[in-house]
Amino acid sequence: NAGVTQTPKFQVLKTGQSMTLQCAQDMNHEYMSWYRQDPGMGLRLIHYSVGAGITDQGEVPNGYNVSRSTTEDFPLRLLSAAPSQTSVYFCASSFSGEYNEQFFGPGTRLTVL
Amino acid sequence: GEDVEQSLFLSVREGDSSVINCTYTDSSSTYLYWYKQEPGAGLQLLTYIFSNMDMKQDQRLTVLLNKKDKHLSLRIADTQTGDSAIYFCAEKREGNTPLVFGKGTRLSVIA
Repeated sequence: NAGVTQTPKFQVLKTGQSMTLQCAQDMNHEYMSWYRQDPGMGLRLIHYSVGAGITDQGEVPNGYNVSRSTTEDFPLRLLSAAPSQTSVYFCASSFSGEYNEQFFGPGTRLTVL
Repeated sequence: GEDVEQSLFLSVREGDSSVINCTYTDSSSTYLYWYKQEPGAGLQLLTYIFSNMDMKQDQRLTVLLNKKDKHLSLRIADTQTGDSAIYFCAEKREGNTPLVFGKGTRLSVIA
Protein backbone atom coordinates (compact mmCIF):
# COMPACT_ATOMS: atom_id res chain seq x y z
CA ASN A 1 0.00 0.00 0.00
CA ALA A 2 1.20 3.51 -0.80
CA GLY A 3 -0.86 4.88 2.12
CA VAL A 4 -1.75 8.57 1.83
CA THR A 5 -0.06 10.41 -1.00
CA GLN A 6 -0.01 14.16 -1.60
CA THR A 7 1.13 16.17 -4.58
CA PRO A 8 2.91 18.46 -5.03
CA LYS A 9 5.43 18.50 -2.17
CA PHE A 10 6.21 22.18 -2.69
CA GLN A 11 4.36 24.96 -4.50
CA VAL A 12 4.82 28.70 -4.91
CA LEU A 13 1.86 30.77 -6.08
CA LYS A 14 1.23 34.42 -6.72
CA THR A 15 -1.67 36.14 -5.02
CA GLY A 16 -4.88 35.49 -6.94
CA GLN A 17 -3.73 32.29 -8.63
CA SER A 18 -5.72 29.09 -8.22
CA MET A 19 -4.50 25.58 -7.71
CA THR A 20 -5.52 22.14 -6.50
CA LEU A 21 -3.66 20.13 -3.89
CA GLN A 22 -4.07 16.43 -4.57
CA CYS A 23 -4.62 13.73 -1.96
CA ALA A 24 -5.17 10.04 -2.54
CA GLN A 25 -5.34 6.96 -0.33
CA ASP A 26 -5.41 3.27 -1.19
CA MET A 27 -6.63 1.87 2.12
CA ASN A 28 -10.35 2.08 1.35
CA HIS A 29 -10.83 4.59 4.16
CA GLU A 30 -14.21 6.28 4.38
CA TYR A 31 -12.94 9.32 6.25
CA MET A 32 -10.61 11.92 4.74
CA SER A 33 -9.62 15.36 5.95
CA TRP A 34 -7.43 18.34 5.21
CA TYR A 35 -5.44 20.26 7.82
CA ARG A 36 -3.16 23.22 7.69
CA GLN A 37 -0.21 23.60 10.05
CA ASP A 38 1.16 26.99 10.97
CA PRO A 39 3.84 27.83 13.58
CA GLY A 40 2.32 28.04 17.06
CA MET A 41 -1.15 27.17 15.73
CA GLY A 42 -0.93 23.40 15.62
CA LEU A 43 -3.18 21.58 13.17
CA ARG A 44 -6.37 23.25 12.07
CA LEU A 45 -9.06 21.34 10.23
CA ILE A 46 -10.09 22.85 6.90
CA HIS A 47 -12.61 20.38 5.44
CA TYR A 48 -13.42 16.74 5.93
CA SER A 49 -15.43 13.98 4.29
CA VAL A 50 -17.11 10.93 5.84
CA GLY A 51 -17.57 9.22 2.49
CA ALA A 52 -17.85 9.70 -1.25
CA GLY A 53 -20.23 12.52 -2.09
CA ILE A 54 -20.22 13.95 1.45
CA THR A 55 -18.10 16.86 2.65
CA ASP A 56 -18.25 19.20 5.62
CA GLN A 57 -16.48 22.29 6.86
CA GLY A 58 -13.90 22.28 9.58
CA GLU A 59 -12.50 25.09 11.68
CA VAL A 60 -10.97 27.21 8.87
CA PRO A 61 -12.83 26.51 5.59
CA ASN A 62 -12.84 29.99 4.05
CA GLY A 63 -10.90 30.24 0.79
CA TYR A 64 -10.90 26.48 0.21
CA ASN A 65 -13.19 24.08 -1.65
CA VAL A 66 -13.26 20.30 -1.62
CA SER A 67 -15.11 17.51 -3.36
CA ARG A 68 -15.19 13.75 -2.85
CA SER A 69 -16.28 12.02 -6.04
CA THR A 70 -14.44 8.78 -5.22
CA THR A 71 -13.42 7.00 -2.02
CA GLU A 72 -9.76 7.33 -2.95
CA ASP A 73 -9.37 11.02 -3.80
CA PHE A 74 -9.98 14.21 -1.85
CA PRO A 75 -8.58 17.28 -3.64
CA LEU A 76 -8.34 20.68 -1.98
CA ARG A 77 -8.87 23.73 -4.20
CA LEU A 78 -7.65 27.24 -3.60
CA LEU A 79 -9.74 29.45 -5.87
CA SER A 80 -7.82 32.72 -5.38
CA ALA A 81 -4.68 32.27 -3.31
CA ALA A 82 -3.83 34.80 -0.59
CA PRO A 83 -0.60 35.21 1.43
CA SER A 84 -2.54 34.12 4.53
CA GLN A 85 -2.81 30.68 2.92
CA THR A 86 0.95 30.19 3.09
CA SER A 87 1.19 27.04 5.19
CA VAL A 88 1.94 23.33 5.25
CA TYR A 89 -1.10 21.29 4.24
CA PHE A 90 -1.70 17.74 5.42
CA CYS A 91 -4.23 15.26 4.18
CA ALA A 92 -5.31 12.40 6.44
CA SER A 93 -7.55 9.37 6.14
CA SER A 94 -9.05 6.73 8.42
CA PHE A 95 -11.83 4.22 8.77
CA SER A 96 -15.00 5.53 10.35
CA GLY A 97 -15.93 4.48 13.85
CA GLU A 98 -14.94 5.26 17.39
CA TYR A 99 -11.35 4.11 17.02
CA ASN A 100 -10.14 5.79 13.87
CA GLU A 101 -6.39 6.00 13.66
CA GLN A 102 -5.69 8.73 11.16
CA PHE A 103 -2.97 8.18 8.57
CA PHE A 104 -1.27 11.35 7.39
CA GLY A 105 0.30 12.21 4.08
CA PRO A 106 3.79 13.79 3.91
CA GLY A 107 2.42 17.31 3.44
CA THR A 108 2.47 20.06 0.80
CA ARG A 109 4.42 23.22 1.60
CA LEU A 110 2.64 26.15 -0.07
CA THR A 111 3.98 29.68 -0.33
CA VAL A 112 1.78 32.49 -1.65
CA LEU A 113 3.65 35.63 -2.65
CA GLY B 1 -11.26 28.68 23.37
CA GLU B 2 -8.78 25.87 22.91
CA ASP B 3 -10.33 22.42 23.23
CA VAL B 4 -7.10 20.48 23.73
CA GLU B 5 -4.22 22.23 25.46
CA GLN B 6 -0.54 21.38 25.64
CA SER B 7 2.56 23.29 26.58
CA LEU B 8 4.49 24.28 23.47
CA PHE B 9 8.05 23.37 24.45
CA LEU B 10 9.90 20.80 26.56
CA SER B 11 13.64 20.30 26.84
CA VAL B 12 15.23 17.26 28.51
CA ARG B 13 18.67 15.68 28.75
CA GLU B 14 19.38 12.43 26.96
CA GLY B 15 18.67 9.48 29.24
CA ASP B 16 16.17 11.38 31.40
CA SER B 17 12.40 10.83 31.31
CA SER B 18 10.16 13.21 29.40
CA VAL B 19 6.60 13.94 30.46
CA ILE B 20 4.30 15.71 28.04
CA ASN B 21 0.96 16.85 29.42
CA CYS B 22 -2.38 17.51 27.75
CA THR B 23 -5.76 18.66 28.98
CA TYR B 24 -9.02 18.25 27.14
CA THR B 25 -12.49 19.54 27.80
CA ASP B 26 -15.01 17.07 26.39
CA SER B 27 -16.04 14.34 28.83
CA SER B 28 -17.58 12.34 25.98
CA SER B 29 -14.17 11.69 24.45
CA THR B 30 -13.79 8.00 23.70
CA TYR B 31 -10.22 7.64 22.51
CA LEU B 32 -7.22 9.86 23.17
CA TYR B 33 -4.18 9.75 20.96
CA TRP B 34 -0.56 10.78 20.89
CA TYR B 35 0.93 11.55 17.49
CA LYS B 36 4.59 12.24 16.71
CA GLN B 37 5.78 14.56 13.96
CA GLU B 38 9.42 14.46 12.94
CA PRO B 39 10.93 17.40 11.02
CA GLY B 40 9.60 17.72 7.49
CA ALA B 41 7.19 14.81 7.85
CA GLY B 42 3.53 14.15 8.50
CA LEU B 43 2.12 12.93 11.79
CA GLN B 44 2.37 9.30 12.83
CA LEU B 45 0.36 7.60 15.53
CA LEU B 46 2.55 6.89 18.54
CA THR B 47 0.04 5.41 20.95
CA TYR B 48 -3.55 5.74 22.10
CA ILE B 49 -5.70 5.02 25.14
CA PHE B 50 -9.37 4.19 25.44
CA SER B 51 -11.33 6.33 27.82
CA ASN B 52 -12.11 3.48 30.25
CA MET B 53 -8.41 2.88 30.89
CA ASP B 54 -6.17 4.65 33.41
CA MET B 55 -2.81 3.65 32.05
CA LYS B 56 -1.24 2.07 29.02
CA GLN B 57 2.39 1.02 28.69
CA ASP B 58 4.20 0.27 25.47
CA GLN B 59 7.97 -0.25 25.80
CA ARG B 60 9.42 3.17 26.72
CA LEU B 61 6.05 4.90 26.49
CA THR B 62 3.55 5.23 29.33
CA VAL B 63 0.21 6.98 28.87
CA LEU B 64 -1.73 8.09 31.95
CA LEU B 65 -5.34 9.21 31.78
CA ASN B 66 -7.18 11.03 34.56
CA LYS B 67 -10.77 11.29 33.35
CA LYS B 68 -11.93 13.23 36.37
CA ASP B 69 -9.45 16.03 35.66
CA LYS B 70 -9.51 15.48 31.86
CA HIS B 71 -5.74 15.17 31.92
CA LEU B 72 -3.60 13.00 29.67
CA SER B 73 0.15 12.54 29.87
CA LEU B 74 2.82 10.80 27.82
CA ARG B 75 5.97 9.66 29.56
CA ILE B 76 8.99 8.67 27.51
CA ALA B 77 11.56 6.75 29.53
CA ASP B 78 15.28 6.98 28.73
CA THR B 79 14.73 9.77 26.21
CA GLN B 80 16.97 9.58 23.16
CA THR B 81 17.96 12.22 20.58
CA GLY B 82 15.74 10.40 18.09
CA ASP B 83 12.76 11.30 20.26
CA SER B 84 13.20 14.97 19.35
CA ALA B 85 9.97 15.86 17.55
CA ILE B 86 6.62 17.56 17.99
CA TYR B 87 4.09 15.53 19.96
CA PHE B 88 0.38 16.13 19.44
CA CYS B 89 -2.38 15.12 21.77
CA ALA B 90 -5.75 14.45 20.08
CA GLU B 91 -9.19 13.49 21.31
CA LYS B 92 -11.92 11.52 19.54
CA ARG B 93 -15.38 12.49 20.63
CA GLU B 94 -18.50 10.39 20.27
CA GLY B 95 -20.06 10.05 16.85
CA ASN B 96 -18.65 10.56 13.39
CA THR B 97 -16.65 13.66 14.31
CA PRO B 98 -13.11 14.72 13.45
CA LEU B 99 -10.20 14.33 15.83
CA VAL B 100 -9.46 17.49 17.79
CA PHE B 101 -5.73 18.18 18.06
CA GLY B 102 -3.74 20.23 20.51
CA LYS B 103 -1.12 22.68 19.24
CA GLY B 104 1.72 20.24 19.81
CA THR B 105 4.66 20.11 22.21
CA ARG B 106 8.12 20.46 20.72
CA LEU B 107 10.46 18.09 22.57
CA SER B 108 14.16 18.89 22.38
CA VAL B 109 16.61 16.30 23.66
CA ILE B 110 20.02 17.60 24.73
CA ALA B 111 22.92 15.19 24.37
